[in-house]
Amino acid sequence: AQTVTQSQPEMSVQEAETVTLSCTYDTSESDYYLFWYKQPPSRQMILVIRQEAYKQQNATENRFSVNFQKAAKSFSLKISDSQLGDAAMYFCAYRSSWETSGSRLTFGEGTQLTVNP
Amino acid sequence: DSGVTQTPKHLITATGQRVTLRCSPRSGDLSVYWYQQSLDQGLQFLIQYYNGEERAKGNILERFSAQQFPDLHSELNLSSLELGDSALYFCASTSPGLAGGEDTQYFGPGTRLTVL
Repeated sequence: AQTVTQSQPEMSVQEAETVTLSCTYDTSESDYYLFWYKQPPSRQMILVIRQEAYKQQNATENRFSVNFQKAAKSFSLKISDSQLGDAAMYFCAYRSSWETSGSRLTFGEGTQLTVNP
Repeated sequence: DSGVTQTPKHLITATGQRVTLRCSPRSGDLSVYWYQQSLDQGLQFLIQYYNGEERAKGNILERFSAQQFPDLHSELNLSSLELGDSALYFCASTSPGLAGGEDTQYFGPGTRLTVL
């Protein structure tokens, strides 16, 4: 079974600065998808960014980018120019590409990000 | 707004009772997923339905059941409720077959269940 680990329960960053959230995962599969979801105080789960394992290029969405290192099974999220609205719980998630296991997401424990003005 | 709707937003009930949570997927999405978020166990996958049929099962208790109807909305039924069932229950949906859509799950706002 796949596991996802987020080793930083809490992180803080100054407004306008850059912060990196860590995520590692364990899998024996070669093809899969990785995601970062954001959960603000409203509790809504919001997709931040996704990465296909077969793509070597790191995904980027505006101020959000990932550092995907397949061999190391590492998938970190970098938030540039942090804004107060970025304050939230961030979850890393894994999805297998194998049809037999369905499309379930396996989540990490989450990292609570605080943005200081 | 993800386009996934869930009702009710909040539910307060007593131990031993039964409740039904409802989810309407995004227009055109055939797959519905249910997740439970609790303080003890984090975010856990419960069950997936695809076009009315059960597709995958996760850590879903026998006291819990789900179904997906012909109009593609889904219901999660929780019975013989215990204090430990208090949690946030999310529904998510995807659109198999659309470029890129199959891989991404879009979440509803969740139903917060409190069992007293």
